[in-house]
This record gives sequence, C-alpha cells and structure tokens, in this order.
Amino acid sequence: NAGVTQTPKFQVLKTGQSMTLQCAQDMNHEYMSWYRQDPGMGLRLIHYSVGAGITDQGEVPNGYNVSRSTTEDFPLRLLSAAPSQTSVYFCASSYSKGSNEKLFFGSGTQLSVL
Amino acid sequence: SQQGEEDPQALSIQEGENATMNCSYKTSINNLQWYRQNSGRGLVHLILIRSNEREKHSGRLRVTLDTSKKSSSLLITASRAADTASYFCASGGSNYKLTFGKGTLLTVNP
Repeated sequence: NAGVTQTPKFQVLKTGQSMTLQCAQDMNHEYMSWYRQDPGMGLRLIHYSVGAGITDQGEVPNGYNVSRSTTEDFPLRLLSAAPSQTSVYFCASSYSKGSNEKLFFGSGTQLSVL
Repeated sequence: SQQGEEDPQALSIQEGENATMNCSYKTSINNLQWYRQNSGRGLVHLILIRSNEREKHSGRLRVTLDTSKKSSSLLITASRAADTASYFCASGGSNYKLTFGKGTLLTVNP
C-alpha cells in the first residue's frame, strides 16, 4: 500500500516555464488537496477536490490549475512559473468529503523557480 | 488567512521532560487536529479532537480543547529525542478545508 505518492521530489524551473506536479493515492479517498509550505507561513491550501470531476479553490489558488478526472489522481499545474512559487508542495488525501477526517500526506515536491 | 496559530514557535527541552504546545484558532470548528513533521518529510497525523470533546489521549499524547477560548494544547509526556519535529495544529470547519497553523519546532535534547 503506497499511500499518497508525489512526483517529482525535486524540480528546478525557469521563470515562465510550465510544469505539472503529480499526485496519486491508492486508498480510494474521495478528498484530495494541495498545500504549499513556506518558511514562517505554515501550510496554505491551494486547491482541493471532493471527488472526481469536482475541484475548488483554497487560500492561494492564483497561478495554479487542477483537475480530477479519476479518484486516484490529482495533478497540480503551474501555468507560468514565477519565483514566488518557489516552495515545498504537499498533496494530501482523506477518506471522506470534508475536513472531519485525518489527512494522509505525500512526501512533498521541492520546487525552485529561478 | 491562517486559522490556527501555535505557541511557542520553538521549544527546546531535555529528554524525559514534558512538552506543551498551544494552538489558537479564530472561528468555530468541527474538529482540531495535530500533525507532526520530521525534517524534510510530509506531515503525519497524530490525533483529532472533535468540538464536543474536551480531552483526548493517545499513548504519550494528551490533547485538550477549549472551544470557549478557541484554543487547544498538545502535551507530549516523557519526551524522547525521536520526538524532535515540527508540530502543527489544523482546524476543520463546516467547509471542506483543513487550515493549518505555522507550527512549533520541538527539539528534544538527549
């Protein structure tokens, strides 16, 4: 049982480049989410999904797109990378819709935008 | 805006001592959760306390919740060097979002 898998673990981009951070879970979780973690800022919610075909914005959605075509996958797309998007990104999932269940986290993607 | 705020930002203790971390939040919640993050790793869920509960235990962990003060505390008893990590509280409301605080960095010295 792999849990939540994120790829890549590290990525360096140039300003203006686009890329997709991958997230997959094998626990049949309905809820999936993306957070970014910056020093002194804690974790901030970017986007979340309560099921296949349903996504919504979190606290800091600008510059990011998501889609949820399957229960297992929830990719995060950076459309035109900016230095302000340098951060560590975490994908997390939980069994049911809503915030009343514990989250399972991936190991993170460290992204640097030059 | 951030929902939870942990206090203190950093805590250094000796092995065997107890560690207490506090969390405050701003709006009504359904539950309050605590997570641990070891350096360079993802977060791991420790314990969840629901809004109608006042205290909960799990092994060496004790969590309290005071909804009138909008605050929670995490107590780790008999700390070990392996407890060295960052600890985050996260508040869950009526929406689908779990909001995290900025964390407390706990260092347990052997």
